[in-house]
Amino acid sequence: QSVLTQPPSASGTPGQKVTISCSGSSSNIGGNFISWYQFLPGTAPKLLIYSSNQRPSGVPDRFSGSKSGTSASLAISGLQSEDDTHYYCAAWDASLNSWVFGGGTKLTVL
Amino acid sequence: HLQLQESGPGLVKPSETLSLTCSVSNGSINTWSYYWGWIRQPPGKGLEWIGTIYYSGSAHYNPSLKSRVTMSVDTSKNQFSLKLTSVTAADTAVYYCAREMYMDAFDIWGQGTMVTVSS
Repeated sequence: QSVLTQPPSASGTPGQKVTISCSGSSSNIGGNFISWYQFLPGTAPKLLIYSSNQRPSGVPDRFSGSKSGTSASLAISGLQSEDDTHYYCAAWDASLNSWVFGGGTKLTVL
Repeated sequence: HLQLQESGPGLVKPSETLSLTCSVSNGSINTWSYYWGWIRQPPGKGLEWIGTIYYSGSAHYNPSLKSRVTMSVDTSKNQFSLKLTSVTAADTAVYYCAREMYMDAFDIWGQGTMVTVSS
């Protein structure tokens, strides 16, 4: 059971916009930064969003992050076939004194 | 750009010690700006943070693993390492090393290495 809650799956068609949610508590998302990662098989995981809403250089602006209270979202617009993979959220938890992750969302591009 | 690469045995016997090393290339581990961490993912399960270490050697571990984990840094080799003692099948996982922007995000990851605990 992951501390952060993500939907196990999401889907969309090419060109559409998809949003993946991540729900937590005041000790993690509510009080700290959220980050988002893309996991592609056989490659190093990739940071998509840091500081809750900032994109590292090289990450397309199709990816955006937001946070409100104890929840956060990753939005992917202009969906492409290469976006078909797993996405995870993460945050520092001040109560657990530990990094915590979401259970992951498998995005399917139909 | 900076790269990380995990190395170590892919098979460890139960009750023994798992030892992994992360080699940092195209950049220095000796930087005040970043920390260095280990994260694992058991097959079919979620991600679990193991611990984080600073180039000075100061480390912080996941409370659930703290009694079995030791991390170290070798600045002369530009490497950091993980030791996990008394392993069981539950420690079977893909182990990733990553660079941490302190309490913000893990911005660079290694490709991961699969470690199986089995006799």
